[in-house]
Amino acid sequence: DAGVTQSPTHLIKTRGQQVTLRCSPISGHKSVSWYQQVLGQGPQFIFQYYEKEERGRGNFPDRFSARQFPNYSSELNVNALLLGDSALYLCASSWGTGTGTRDTQYFGPGTRLTVL
Amino acid sequence: AQSVSQHNHHVILSEAASLELGCNYSYGGTVNLFWYVQYPGQHLQLLLKYFSGDPLVKGIKGFEAEFIKSKFSFNLRKPSVQWSDTAEYFCAVNAQVSGGYNKLIFGAGTRLAVHP
Repeated sequence: DAGVTQSPTHLIKTRGQQVTLRCSPISGHKSVSWYQQVLGQGPQFIFQYYEKEERGRGNFPDRFSARQFPNYSSELNVNALLLGDSALYLCASSWGTGTGTRDTQYFGPGTRLTVL
Repeated sequence: AQSVSQHNHHVILSEAASLELGCNYSYGGTVNLFWYVQYPGQHLQLLLKYFSGDPLVKGIKGFEAEFIKSKFSFNLRKPSVQWSDTAEYFCAVNAQVSGGYNKLIFGAGTRLAVHP
């Protein structure tokens, strides 16, 4: 079975530009989460979507937005890029949020964004 | 605020040495605990997880971790490391937050180098 896929693999943008990153979850998974991993740090939570609705948001500015489509794939958009947005953006999928915490997230390979 | 601390940022071992990586978390409620591994050039992979029950959990590739609730710890162990265990290891807590969604909170990671 295919795992979580992300595109593109690498991306180079300049300050002020906008970027869209894409993610396809594991078949059957209804929840997608996005994380930012800056070099030398652990991933930081950005968003979680479940059944096409935003269920949670991390401490990121409004320049970051996302959406989930009927097929459960997802896009992460970042506007007005800053140098500090350079990072590896990870997508993770899971069955769903449910009401408990017994939900395991599986990660894609990430998109490496470089802002010049 | 919830947080995860990994005590060792860099660990260097010789093959066949024993490994223990520390992880402590700060969260008073019910948690699920995970260790993820990131091999060079590869994406984050699940190594093992704890939801409930036996506090000693076994994962892939001979790894195990022990959940000690009183110490808020979830240390990773392996009796005899191999060169192929060279990777970055992340401890993560899945804490349910208000609104019913779950987010992973990661530690900063421990970079393990195993020399032949």
